[in-house]
Amino acid sequence: GENVEQHPSTLSVQEGDSAVIKCTYSDSASNYFPWYKQELGKGPQLIIDIRSNVGEKKDQRIAVTLNKTAKHFSLHITETQPEDSAVYFCAASPTISNFGNEKLTFGTGTRLTIIP
Amino acid sequence: NAGVTQTPKFQVLKTGQSMTLQCAQDMNHEYMSWYRQDPGMGLRLIHYSVGAGITDQGEVPNGYNVSRSTTEDFPLRLLSAAPSQTSVYFCASSYSGLVNTEAFFGQGTRLTVV
Repeated sequence: GENVEQHPSTLSVQEGDSAVIKCTYSDSASNYFPWYKQELGKGPQLIIDIRSNVGEKKDQRIAVTLNKTAKHFSLHITETQPEDSAVYFCAASPTISNFGNEKLTFGTGTRLTIIP
Repeated sequence: NAGVTQTPKFQVLKTGQSMTLQCAQDMNHEYMSWYRQDPGMGLRLIHYSVGAGITDQGEVPNGYNVSRSTTEDFPLRLLSAAPSQTSVYFCASSYSGLVNTEAFFGQGTRLTVV
């Protein structure tokens, strides 16, 4: 099955600086890579995703890059703000015909702390 | 819309007791799943369902049962609770189509087995 590794497990950055979280996956059949943000006491929430036919995707201060050859993808947050403090999870999933959102395999999470 | 609703939010069980964690969604999603979240291990899939009457096992199914009699509800049953089942449980749902879509998570149930 799929195995997703995520680094680092904790990350502290000064407010305004950039944060980068990296993930690797093992199953070459995976072609959907979402990132989830989990705030304290809440469930994970999708913040950005990328599919295998795209190398990079941006949404305001958040960007995700994908290297299918190397089987790794990264989350980039620029101009970090205190509200970016949370736990971030990467995930990977294949797409199988006839069904939609297949089983997501999650990374172990990164606790991001923004220092004011 | 309420989204994905999980009840209860907190629960303490004694070893050997049984209970059902409830999950309901009002978005008419076909796909629903249960995850458990443990420190340093991310979220691991317990069971999932691709539609009413259809369920299948995920990565860590032992000790848990599920059923899907309606599109809206996907309860998770612990038949005989064990301390190893102490965890935070999340239910998720998503639209079922030919392309991966966003999974919506509930707020979680924190379960402690003593």
